[in-house]
Amino acid sequence: GAVVSQHPSWVICKSGTSVKIECRSLDFQATTMFWYRQFPKQSLMLMATSNEGSKATYEQGVEKDKFLINHASLTLSTLTVTSAHPEDSSFYICSARGGLNEQFFGPGTRLTVL
Amino acid sequence: SQQGEEDPQALSIQEGENATMNCSYKTSINNLQWYRQNSGRGLVHLILIRSNEREKHSGRLRVTLDTSKKSSSLLITASRAADTASYFCATAPLSGGYNKLIFGAGTRLAVHP
Repeated sequence: GAVVSQHPSWVICKSGTSVKIECRSLDFQATTMFWYRQFPKQSLMLMATSNEGSKATYEQGVEKDKFLINHASLTLSTLTVTSAHPEDSSFYICSARGGLNEQFFGPGTRLTVL
Repeated sequence: SQQGEEDPQALSIQEGENATMNCSYKTSINNLQWYRQNSGRGLVHLILIRSNEREKHSGRLRVTLDTSKKSSSLLITASRAADTASYFCATAPLSGGYNKLIFGAGTRLAVHP
């Protein structure tokens, strides 16, 4: 099956710094990728839809200036958490849409902001 | 916003027993999918059922879909300790655009040896 990778798998940063998370489709091209956030023992919440070559579409309540998304190529989308604070600590998961509209999920990135 | 609700929130059973998890949703859907997540890990796709299907099987998994009641169930038969995980339903709304998925709250399943 199609493989999606995320980097880094975990990151610890100081409050106020910015963190970039990469999502790559390894063996297929994805014009659309999705970013989710998951707090402990909770479900995945869709944050935004990332479209190659155009602006991301953010879900209601998600600050686009805080969570910058760049989908610069057909195999890479990045999520940058700007000026991170402890409340941004979470598990961030991306997925990439395949040719049959299925979604393939990455392994997730655990962000801890001190 | 989440549109799926799942019950039970947590389920604890013995190995060999069957586990049933239910999911309800609010809007019309294109399809409904079930995923599994081990603690702190990514998602594993289990099964997809389309809105015009009523039942689907995959190994020890059986999924039903009732679009009139906007609900689905996942049955795991002859459970094993390795089935311990969180299980989520996810719906692809008809009006979602870009085929986005909306996840339910999830059921935490614990299978004891």
